[in-house]
Amino acid sequence: SAVISQKPSRDICQRGTSLTIQCQVDSQVTMMFWYRQQPGQSLTLIATANQGSEATYESGFVIDKFPISRPNLTFSTLTVSNLSPEDSSIYLCSVDRTGVTEAFFGQGTRLTVV
Amino acid sequence: KNEVEQSPQNLTAQEGEFITINCSYSVGISALHWLQQHPGGGIVSLFMLSSGKKKHGRLIATINIQEKHSSLHITASHPRDSAVYICAVRSGNTPLVFGKGTRLSVIA
Repeated sequence: SAVISQKPSRDICQRGTSLTIQCQVDSQVTMMFWYRQQPGQSLTLIATANQGSEATYESGFVIDKFPISRPNLTFSTLTVSNLSPEDSSIYLCSVDRTGVTEAFFGQGTRLTVV
Repeated sequence: KNEVEQSPQNLTAQEGEFITINCSYSVGISALHWLQQHPGGGIVSLFMLSSGKKKHGRLIATINIQEKHSSLHITASHPRDSAVYICAVRSGNTPLVFGKGTRLSVIA
C-alpha cells in the first residue's frame, strides 16, 4: 500500500492570492496525479507529475494557473494561482506504484475562495 | 474516452437494508475501482476488480466484463456507511476515469 499525507486539509483564501498544496508519500512512486473535484462533480485530472520532468497537463489546465513541482519520488506540490471563486473545489493527489494498479489518494484539500 | 455512469445518484436507506450501487462504462477496461469519499474529501480505495467478485466484510463488488457493468453491494447497512461511493475505470496505463458518484445516507 501507499500512505499519502496531503496538506492543508482545508483553506479559505482571498481572490488573487495563491495556495500551494503538498503531498508526501511514504514510499517511492513513479507517477503522481493531481485532481480537482468541483462541487457536486466527479474528479477531473489536472495533470500527471513525473519526477525529473515537467508535468503533463490535461486539456483545459495550464501550467501558469496550476504549476506543479515533483522534486523527488516521494513528494509533489500543486499551486493554484491567481485564485477566483471558481477555483473553490476539493483538490486531491493520487499515486500509482509500478506494478501495482490499486489507486491511493490523499485526504483532499477543500479550498474556498472568497 | 471511457464514459462512466453510476446509478442511483442519491440513495437513502434505513439501517440494516441491503444496498446496491451500479456502474456501467463504455469501453473495455483493465481495472475497475470502487472508492469511498467521506465528507472531508479524502478518498479510500475499497476494491479493485478486473473480473469476478470480491468481498470485504459487509461489502461485495462484482463485475461483468462482457456487459461492461459493475455493482457494489452493502449488506446490513449502517449509518457509518454514509458517504459518496465512486466508480472509476482504467484502460491500460491511462489515468483513471471517474463516475460522478452515488451519495448514500443510511438512517438509524
